[in-house]
Amino acid sequence: QSALTQPASVSGSPGQSITISCTGTSSDVGGYNYVSWYQHHPGKAPKLMIYDVSNRPSGVSNRFSGSKSGNTASLTISGLQAEDEADYYCSSYTSSSTQVFGGGTKLTVL
Amino acid sequence: QVQLQESGPGLVKPSQTLSLTCTVSGGSISSGSYYWSWIRQPAGKGLEWIGRIYTSGSTNYNPSLKSRVTISVDTSKNQFSLKLSSVTAADTAVYYCAREAGGSGWYVGFDYWGQGTLVTVSS
Repeated sequence: QSALTQPASVSGSPGQSITISCTGTSSDVGGYNYVSWYQHHPGKAPKLMIYDVSNRPSGVSNRFSGSKSGNTASLTISGLQAEDEADYYCSSYTSSSTQVFGGGTKLTVL
Repeated sequence: QVQLQESGPGLVKPSQTLSLTCTVSGGSISSGSYYWSWIRQPAGKGLEWIGRIYTSGSTNYNPSLKSRVTISVDTSKNQFSLKLSSVTAADTAVYYCAREAGGSGWYVGFDYWGQGTLVTVSS
């Protein structure tokens, strides 16, 4: 299975909004609403930020939102804060009953 | 609060078998609708899903690793384990264990993770 496609890096200034895309195929992202997003600060465990395309777990800021159109899912972070600087990964269930991650996107808060 | 902790050798020789165990605390590994997964991250690279096990013993593996991977569960010890055979330097990575919440018709994702353990493959 091929990794989902994410931009290698995105950046934004505090207070701005950014969007990270995650492109797959009809066998994963496009075929199921089981897309999740993870925030990963180096040296720490990844943290679930979004599940089922657009749902936030309890305790996750409402500045984080998710959506999907066709084979592409997106994570939007509004009101950027310095603590949002991290790596972000998307993940999707696949038609083979496996999971696949995106390559990861490094978010820099300028 | 569920907690996961990986344990195992930090150094493995090429061609040997990498063995890791994940101990789950704060809840029974058998309760609820959860899968128990292994994920790894080579230095400077992204996350790679290795595979999962359900407490019934059913498993799913990454096709690229399937021929070398075995995941097992020991409900009496509240643990699950990873074995990766015939390792090479390319298997050097931080290995994470994680709980995956989901069932028939619903899915949440990897909601609890261990802190990760670095495994280096070198002679």
